Amino acid sequence: ETGVTQSPTHLIKTRGQQVTLRCSSQSGHNTVSWYQQALGQGPQFIFQYYREEENGRGNFPPRFSGLQFPNYSSELNVNALELDDSALYLCASTQHGELFFGEGSRLTVL
Amino acid sequence: GEDVEQSLFLSVREGDSSVINCTYTDSSSTYLYWYKQEPGAGLQLLTYIFSNMDMKQDQRLTVLLNKKDKHLSLRIADTQTGDSAIYFCAESNTSGRDDKIIFGKGTRLHILP
Repeated sequence: ETGVTQSPTHLIKTRGQQVTLRCSSQSGHNTVSWYQQALGQGPQFIFQYYREEENGRGNFPPRFSGLQFPNYSSELNVNALELDDSALYLCASTQHGELFFGEGSRLTVL
Repeated sequence: GEDVEQSLFLSVREGDSSVINCTYTDSSSTYLYWYKQEPGAGLQLLTYIFSNMDMKQDQRLTVLLNKKDKHLSLRIADTQTGDSAIYFCAESNTSGRDDKIIFGKGTRLHILP
C-alpha cells in the first residue's frame, strides 16, 4: 500500500477526445510526477509538479497538461487523443526522496 | 541523452539465483534503482543504491554497481515463483530542477519449475 490512488483504473476513449486522469496522495507529499508506460516499455516521465507548479517536463507535447491541488491531489489531462496515447499512466508522489507509485490508469484509444 | 538498457527476458529455475543486468549512460546519475512490476500492478521499489556505493545487500537481494562501466546488476538469491515479474532498472540525477527517473524497458523474469 503506497498511499497513492488513481482513477479511473481503466477507460476507453476515441481518437480526438479529451481525457482527465486523477491521482491522490498522502498528506505531506508535495511532489507528484506522471509517467506514461506503453505496452512492453518502461515508464516515460511526462512531468512533475511541486507545490502546484510544474517543476519539470519530459518529451511530451503541450496537449499533455497537468494540475496539482492543495489537497495533494493531481490531474493529468490529454487533449486530442491519438492512438499512440494508449498506455498505462502512472502517478507517483515523492516523500524523502522516495517515489511511491499508484496502480495506474490504463487508457485505450480506439 | 540519458538511456538505460537491459535484456528483455530471463528464465531461471526455482531455487537458483537470478542475475539481471543493466547499463546506463548518464555519468551524473545520483541514484540507481530496481523496481518490480507484477501483472496489472504499479511499480514497487525493490531497492536503490547511491552512485558512490559499490554494493548493497538486502535479504535475498544484492545490488552491484560498477560506476566506471556504468553497469548495475540485481541478484535475487533462492528465486521463488513469487519473484516472477518485470524488473526495471532506473536512474535519476538530482542535480537538475526535477527528480525524474529514467527507466529501462524492463526484464521479464520467468521461473522454471
